[in-house]
Amino acid sequence: GEDVEQSLFLSVREGDSSVINCTYTDSSSTYLYWYKQEPGAGLQLLTYIFSNMDMKQDQRLTVLLNKKDKHLSLRIADTQTGDSAIYFCAETSLNNNDMRFGAGTRLTVKP
Amino acid sequence: DAGVTQSPTHLIKTRGQQVTLRCSPKSGHDTVSWYQQALGQGPQFIFQYYEEEERQRGNFPDRFSGHQFPNYSSELNVNALLLGDSALYLCASSPDRGHRNTEAFFGQGTRLTVV
Repeated sequence: GEDVEQSLFLSVREGDSSVINCTYTDSSSTYLYWYKQEPGAGLQLLTYIFSNMDMKQDQRLTVLLNKKDKHLSLRIADTQTGDSAIYFCAETSLNNNDMRFGAGTRLTVKP
Repeated sequence: DAGVTQSPTHLIKTRGQQVTLRCSPKSGHDTVSWYQQALGQGPQFIFQYYEEEERQRGNFPDRFSGHQFPNYSSELNVNALLLGDSALYLCASSPDRGHRNTEAFFGQGTRLTVV
């Protein structure tokens, strides 16, 4: 089946940039998403990118998509302690209603 | 707007029992999806309801069933509970227009523990 993979952990210093990476296998993916989950909470949609784009910027967040390599990344500029959370990559394809998620990357921001 | 609300927030059940989880979608949303998130994993799609019918189903056994009511709220039922059903159950609502997942909102989830 189709898979979404992420590295499990990332640790950065406050003020540095964080880059979280994701790879997916479904070539029919149309939308790719980044979600944030804080302890004891549900999922918060941070941003998404359509598959015909290669970059999207939204304030401190930059999403890069390499469709040829099926690689997605999320860059968080000026990372703050409040950014500490688990970040999930997810994808959907045009004819499906479900989202397929990676296992999540736990971001730890040290003061 | 209260967003997506789920109840209860926490639940403890015994193996073999049955459980019902509830979800009220965000105002203006008519589509409800359910996901299971086991500890340390990403959410897995269970099924999606629209117009009171199951529109799509993930790879879950028939022990998992659902319902959607005329007011768009939804229930997830799990029969014959197994220890492996222990997870955070997430409900997501979305409008049935465009590519609906781009407007999906998730609830806080129900933490189910099976003992």
